[in-house]
Amino acid sequence: DVKVTQSSRYLVKRTGEKVFLECVQDMDHENMFWYRQDPGLGLRLIYFSYDVKMKEKGDIPEGYSVSREKKERFSLILESASTNQTSMYLCASAIRGGGRNEQYFGPGTRLTVT
Amino acid sequence: GDSVTQMEGPVTLSEEAFLTINCTYTATGYPSLFWYVQYPGEGLQLLLKATKADDKGSNKGFEATYRKETTSFHLEKGSVQVSDSAVYFCALAGTGFQKLVFGTGTRLLVSP
Repeated sequence: DVKVTQSSRYLVKRTGEKVFLECVQDMDHENMFWYRQDPGLGLRLIYFSYDVKMKEKGDIPEGYSVSREKKERFSLILESASTNQTSMYLCASAIRGGGRNEQYFGPGTRLTVT
Repeated sequence: GDSVTQMEGPVTLSEEAFLTINCTYTATGYPSLFWYVQYPGEGLQLLLKATKADDKGSNKGFEATYRKETTSFHLEKGSVQVSDSAVYFCALAGTGFQKLVFGTGTRLLVSP
């Protein structure tokens, strides 16, 4: 059974803290994604990666960075957390090959920045 | 740029009622279209997809037909169940890299 796991389901951090969100997939997928989900806005792409050490900005990369040192792991980093980064963060993975391929999602991390 | 518009929710239905959730899109070229579902406390999972005009995607009693002439991909189910209560997202993948563009989601609430 395919699986994407995220390090935490719930996280509370203070403004200014450095925050790491971890995502691991066990499907040997080349592509990995980070989204944030907000009510009324749907899912918005933050960053994606199509190979180890490769990364591309999505639609809302400001205030975030990513790291992909191993194929199965994709980390999202909030360098200095702010209250407007309070959100649900979803990680996904997919095989390489274009837009027809299914993305597999993790359960999400609900981050609250106080 | 590419975009997806879907009806606002929540959609509230009684069990066994007919369901339609509207989705229209704007895209260049020939996108692939998807419906994803998010059950409470879970991540999204693919419900169905269609990759070219007039294709019909179907799964678990849900159907959607890729209509290029009306740029639509409406989700339908003939008889909903309480277990169908979830948030439904319409999405498209344009040509090129595998980025998905999502609609804002429609919450479905089914009562017994």
